[in-house]
Amino acid sequence: AQTVTQSQPEMSVQEAETVTLSCTYDTSESDYYLFWYKQPPSRQMILVIRQEAYKQQNATENRFSVNFQKAAKSFSLKISDSQLGDAAMYFCAYRSVTGNQFYFGTGTSLTVIP
Amino acid sequence: GAVVSQHPSWVICKSGTSVKIECRSLDFQATTMFWYRQFPKQSLMLMATSNEGSKATYEQGVEKDKFLINHASLTLSTLTVTSAHPEDSSFYICSARPPGRVRGNEQFFGPGTRLTVL
Repeated sequence: AQTVTQSQPEMSVQEAETVTLSCTYDTSESDYYLFWYKQPPSRQMILVIRQEAYKQQNATENRFSVNFQKAAKSFSLKISDSQLGDAAMYFCAYRSVTGNQFYFGTGTSLTVIP
Repeated sequence: GAVVSQHPSWVICKSGTSVKIECRSLDFQATTMFWYRQFPKQSLMLMATSNEGSKATYEQGVEKDKFLINHASLTLSTLTVTSAHPEDSSFYICSARPPGRVRGNEQFFGPGTRLTVL
């Protein structure tokens, strides 16, 4: 089975600053999807950004961008101009193109300091 | 985006009783739904995959007789925790996958149900 590793259990960032959350994964597949999900205190899982492995270009969604390094199996999330509302648990997830199952990392708790 | 609801959002029950949790896709049909369990400050663990009109597929270590899943329609899946015990207390999250999207399809998550077994 694929494994997803988030080595930073907790991170903090000053409001308006930039923070990068790390994620690595292990797979033998050549095509797959990678996701970052946000889980605020409400516990509702919210999709932040998605990357398709066959695309070399890094995905970007407003203040959120990823650094996808396929050879290194790394998928980090950069949050620019951090806002108080960005405070949440962030989960990195992997999904095979052919499969249904999501493999989640252990999560990174992000604190935004006013 | 697609909306998935769960009911109830919070339930307390006595040990030995059964609890049913509903997961509904409100504006799309979901041939496949997923049930996750999340302990405090931990990640989501997939319990089972629910397919409309067929038996659910359970992950290794999940007792199918304890966690009964029924996906009777394209918009509703239910998870019944039978003979609940305190160790079943957890946060249960469902997600649904819309059909007909070949690449990049994602799962839409419900808001979760907090189960507390006394």
